[in-house]
Amino acid sequence: GNSVTQMEGPVTLSEEAFLTINCTYTATGYPSLFWYVQYPGEGLQLLLKATKADDKGSNKGFEATYRKETTSFHLEKGSVQVSDSAVYFCALSEGNAGNMLTFGGGTRLMVKP
Amino acid sequence: DTEVTQTPKHLVMGMTNKKSLKCEQHMGHRAMYWYKQKAKKPPELMFVYSYEKLSINESVPSRFSPECPNSSLLNLHLHALQPEDSALYLCASSREGGPSSYEQYFGPGTRLTVT
Repeated sequence: GNSVTQMEGPVTLSEEAFLTINCTYTATGYPSLFWYVQYPGEGLQLLLKATKADDKGSNKGFEATYRKETTSFHLEKGSVQVSDSAVYFCALSEGNAGNMLTFGGGTRLMVKP
Repeated sequence: DTEVTQTPKHLVMGMTNKKSLKCEQHMGHRAMYWYKQKAKKPPELMFVYSYEKLSINESVPSRFSPECPNSSLLNLHLHALQPEDSALYLCASSREGGPSSYEQYFGPGTRLTVT
């Protein structure tokens, strides 16, 4: 079956530091990959996505590249802000599987001024 | 517009009450989902509706009863809940069908407390 593994948090950074949150996956086919962000007290927001190998998703300064050879989809941002403090979920879904999402466990990011 | 709305935002109910959660989207999506999320955990899938028909029920207790009145609305009827059912309930929607997989868009959730 499918699975997603994320680095455990919390990740604590100072403002303007470089961010990497690791995500690796196991899938039987050719999944689409997603990063979702959840701010305190809110629902999940789609941050970025990639649908095939070597695709790079990007949004709001965040980037992630679909690496089929390493089955990874690491999230990066060059300079984090306090407002980026949230929980980040890596997820995958496969076509012909009802868009069912398999989530990683989530990584809490705390950015200090 | 990629908005999914949910009401109410907060709900406190006793174990003998009957209440309903509501979800609405106007993106023309034909797949809608209910999730349950406990603190510090990822969302857990409860139900999937595809073209207004229940397609997946992840062995959810019968005290949770979903309903899809039309392609834009999704309800979750609650009855005789237990304190362990306290959680954030999330609704999501997506395009449907075909070999491609489509992203899901989530609502803000209903924070449910069962007393």
